Amino acid sequence: GAVVSQHPSWVICKSGTSVKIECRSLDFQATTMFWYRQFPKQSLMLMATSNEGSKATYEQGVEKDKFLINHASLTLSTLTVTSAHPEDSSFYICSAPLAAGAYEQYFGPGTRLTVT
Amino acid sequence: AQSVTQLGSHVSVSEGALVLLRCNYSSSVPPYLFWYVQYPNQGLQLLLKYTSAATLVKGINGFEAEFKKSETSFHLTKPSAHMSDAAEYFCAVTASGGNEKLTFGTGTRLTIIP
Repeated sequence: GAVVSQHPSWVICKSGTSVKIECRSLDFQATTMFWYRQFPKQSLMLMATSNEGSKATYEQGVEKDKFLINHASLTLSTLTVTSAHPEDSSFYICSAPLAAGAYEQYFGPGTRLTVT
Repeated sequence: AQSVTQLGSHVSVSEGALVLLRCNYSSSVPPYLFWYVQYPNQGLQLLLKYTSAATLVKGINGFEAEFKKSETSFHLTKPSAHMSDAAEYFCAVTASGGNEKLTFGTGTRLTIIP
């Protein structure tokens, strides 16, 4: 089956620094990837849609200058949390459809970010 | 626009008992519906999906769900709960067009009582 990986699986950073999270589709090409954020004991909230070779589409209320998304290749999308603050601490999950036009998404294992 | 409502943020059942997790959806277009399971500190795993074919959908680990358009429901069931079923379950909906955003319900935490 399709595999999506994320790196790192967990990261601790100091307030004010930036953190990059990678999302890779290991055995398929993904022109679109989605980034979600999940607070403890809550549901997944879509942050943005990452499109290969073009700008990401952000959901309402998500700061695009704070959460930088780069989808530079068909197998890699990155999410950079800039000038992180403790309120950015969360579980970040990416997903990707298997092919263009596919409705089923495959999820990465998630990245736990803790900002101290 | 689509939305899903999961009734019951917590459900507890005894081992061997029936599992029933409720999901109602709202969609202005024909929906595709999904159930995902999440174990602690892990991503989501697809249990099953409805994509306008058979209304009774069978998934992994003995789970199944029935799409009922008249009731706008897509409840998840399993005849006999196992300890390993303890997890968080999310119902999700997307428009039947592909590469569309998934909208998730708030989740139901399933606890299995030994």
